[in-house]
Amino acid sequence: DVKVTQSSRYLVKRTGEKVFLECVQDMDHENMFWYRQDPGLGLRLIYFSYDVKMKEKGDIPEGYSVSREKKERFSLILESASTNQTSMYLCASSLLTGGIYEQYFGPGTRLTVT
Amino acid sequence: RKEVEQDPGPFNVPEGATVAFNCTYSNSASQSFFWYRQDCRKEPKLLMSVYSSGNEDGRFTAQLNRASQYISLLIRDSKLSDSATYLCVALGGNFNKFYFGSGTKLNVKP
Repeated sequence: DVKVTQSSRYLVKRTGEKVFLECVQDMDHENMFWYRQDPGLGLRLIYFSYDVKMKEKGDIPEGYSVSREKKERFSLILESASTNQTSMYLCASSLLTGGIYEQYFGPGTRLTVT
Repeated sequence: RKEVEQDPGPFNVPEGATVAFNCTYSNSASQSFFWYRQDCRKEPKLLMSVYSSGNEDGRFTAQLNRASQYISLLIRDSKLSDSATYLCVALGGNFNKFYFGSGTKLNVKP
């Protein structure tokens, strides 16, 4: 079974803090993704990575950065947290080649910025 | 215009009913399609992939119409445990961009 894990289920941070969200997958997937999910807005892609040290902006990258130093790990960084970044953050991974392209999600991190 | 459009619902149906969800996608280069299920405050989980010829998994049937750029999910004999939000997903032609619909909420009542 594919396993995607995220470092925290719940996180409370103060405005202006630097926040790190970690994601690890154990299936050797090339692709990794960070989304945020808000009521009424659905899933929105922040960044994705298709290889180590490679990253591409998604639909809403402002205020975020990412790091992928190892294939299995993809980190999302909020440089200076703001209240409008309070959300559910979901990490996902998928294969890039091989014919099985389903995306697998971690359990999510519910971040509250006060 | 959103890449993938779904009726948000909610669909309120009695146990045992048959219910159908539809979704349209705008990118004709999309290669693969999926239905995900998301329970309240949980992550999305893959329900089934959607193949050109249509495919069935127990009470669930998925259909793809490439000409109309339309995907459907049929649930027969609904159970209370089917209550969830169902997300329609299209995978872009470069195999690393997934487009999610906003989801259709299903409530199955006793």
